[in-house]
Formats: sequence, C-alpha cells, structure tokens
Amino acid sequence: NAGVMQNPRHLVRRRGQEARLRCSPMKGHSHVYWYRQLPEEGLKFMVYLQKENIIDESGMPKERFSAEFPKEGPSILRIQQVVRGDSAAYFCASSPPVGGRPYNEQFFGPGTRLTVL
Amino acid sequence: AQKITQTQPGMFVQEKEAVTLDCTYDTSDQSYGLFWYKQPSSGEMIFLIYQGSYDEQNATEGRYSLNFQKARKSANLVISASQLGDSAMYFCAMRGGNAGNNRKLIWGLGTSLAVNP
Repeated sequence: NAGVMQNPRHLVRRRGQEARLRCSPMKGHSHVYWYRQLPEEGLKFMVYLQKENIIDESGMPKERFSAEFPKEGPSILRIQQVVRGDSAAYFCASSPPVGGRPYNEQFFGPGTRLTVL
Repeated sequence: AQKITQTQPGMFVQEKEAVTLDCTYDTSDQSYGLFWYKQPSSGEMIFLIYQGSYDEQNATEGRYSLNFQKARKSANLVISASQLGDSAMYFCAMRGGNAGNNRKLIWGLGTSLAVNP
C-alpha cells in the first residue's frame, strides 16, 4: 500500500509564476489536508478537502491560493503569482473516512519544497 | 482558540538514556486528540503516538510513551533508551473532535532533539 505521494519534491519558480503542487492520498483515504511549513517553524494548516468538496479553508490566504480534490486524480494546491514569502515546504496529509481507525491519524507525504527566486 | 506550546527549542540526550519533550495545550473542546510527529533531517513527517482526551491510560508505542496530565493540559513525550536515529525535530499537535471541520491539526513550533553517542 503506497503512502501519500507528492510531486514535485522540489519546485523552483520566479516571482509572478504559478506553482502547482500535487498530492495523491493513500488508497482508501478520502480526506486530504494541506499544511505549510516555513523555515524554523511548525506546520500551519491551510485547507481540508474531501472528494469534490472543500471542508475547511480557514488557513488559506485569501488571494492567489486555491485547492481542489477532484473526483478523479490527485489533489492540487495552486499558487498564482508567487512571491518570495511563499517559499516553504508544503505538506499534504490524508486520512481515512470517519469511522476508520479510532483516532484517524493523518499520514503525511514527503512534502514539496517550493523556492521562489 | 486552540494552541500548542513547546517550550524547549533544543534538547540533548545521551544515547541509551530517556528524554522527555514537553508539550502543553489550550482548548475549550471537551473531546480532542493529541499527536506527536517526528521530522528527521530528510524532512518527512512520521506519526509516533496518539492520546485521546477520554483515554484513561497513557498511550505507549514501543519506546515512545505519552505522559498525559489532563488537569495540567500537558502531553509530554517520553522516549526511552534513546538511539542515534532519534535525532530529529519533534512536533506536538492537537485536533478537535471528529465532527465537521475539526479535523485540522494545530501544531507547536517543535523541539530539536540531538542524541549524543
């Protein structure tokens, strides 16, 4: 059973370009979460999605950031017109539906390191 | 608002000794979960242990145990018989109840653990 997959692992963009980060959850997992980790800091929640639905986007910046989790295919975190402050590690996590393991821990992907030049 | 506090930016421990990493939390939820994750230098997030707010016994997973003191709102991680491979960042995180949009994790800033040979 493959783990959470994220690609690319490293992404370099120039200011003003778009960044697309992909996340394939573990098999059987229908919940996806995106977190951002700035250097020397803990993770910050961005968005929580289920298939075709955004459940909680309270951590998403109001502009330039969007996320989707379509019926088919990976979840995408999209950052438009990137700025240097967007440089960070972006982690995707997945968990099974409610009613699975008692505590539904989130399984993390390896992260995408975004560098904005 | 939920908050996680890890007051130890860095810790040192001698190989084969035990070490305690501190975590205190703040929440108004009656039902919540506490997690510890390990982040080695390679960057991935590895789930270690979970404690539910209604669990009567402290959680244990191999060499990891969680010293849960609900009245003090603390959930310290104890690593016994430290190994060189335990050198990493350790993050404490909290999740509210399972219902609705309370599945996001709130993270502390982490503690960097160095195991000396």
